[in-house]
Amino acid sequence: GQQVMQIPQYQHVQEGEDFTTYCNSSTTLSNIQWYKQRPGGHPVFLIQLVKSGEVKKQKRLTFQFGEAKKNSSLHITATQTTDVGTYFCAGPEGYNFNKFYFGSGTKLNVKP
Amino acid sequence: SQTIHQWPATLVQPVGSPLSLECTVEGTSNPNLYWYRQAAGRGLQLLFYSVGIGQISSEVPQNLSASRPQDRQFILSSKKLLLSDSGFYLCAWGGGWDMNTEAFFGQGTRLTVV
Repeated sequence: GQQVMQIPQYQHVQEGEDFTTYCNSSTTLSNIQWYKQRPGGHPVFLIQLVKSGEVKKQKRLTFQFGEAKKNSSLHITATQTTDVGTYFCAGPEGYNFNKFYFGSGTKLNVKP
Repeated sequence: SQTIHQWPATLVQPVGSPLSLECTVEGTSNPNLYWYRQAAGRGLQLLFYSVGIGQISSEVPQNLSASRPQDRQFILSSKKLLLSDSGFYLCAWGGGWDMNTEAFFGQGTRLTVV
């Protein structure tokens, strides 16, 4: 199946510092989605990117989709303790939207 | 609005015992349904998905099976649990290939096999 890799696996930052997680796919993605999972909780959808080179912002979060549609990034500016959690990227297998593969996730810890 | 129910929230089962986890969706019809497993501190592994009643696609050969007896009901089962079956099991629904919507997750079941 499709391989969706995420780096880093863990990130510890001081509150106010920036944070970035990267997602790389072995194949071209038709679209990519990002999810956040709070400790002990379930993943919650954040955003979807579809177009090559697309950039979307949600307050302090900036999402990018690579030109080749094989990589993506999530950048958080000035982290807050509420940003703690694990961030996953996810993408379908080609255009088979029935099968969504999740990346390994980046666990973010923010020290107050 | 659509809601997804998953139970139980936690479960401790002995090795060799059977398993049945149930997931139901409300507020939508003919959803795509998914079972994922998350090992401690790891990513989400797609186990099964279903595009309709009685239609099950298995992603990983394993000790588990899935069934969809009704449109909005998805069941994950095992006849004999292994220690390696421990994990956080998540049910999810999505719109499918022609809708390209995000996945909505249930609250999850934390299974510990002892």
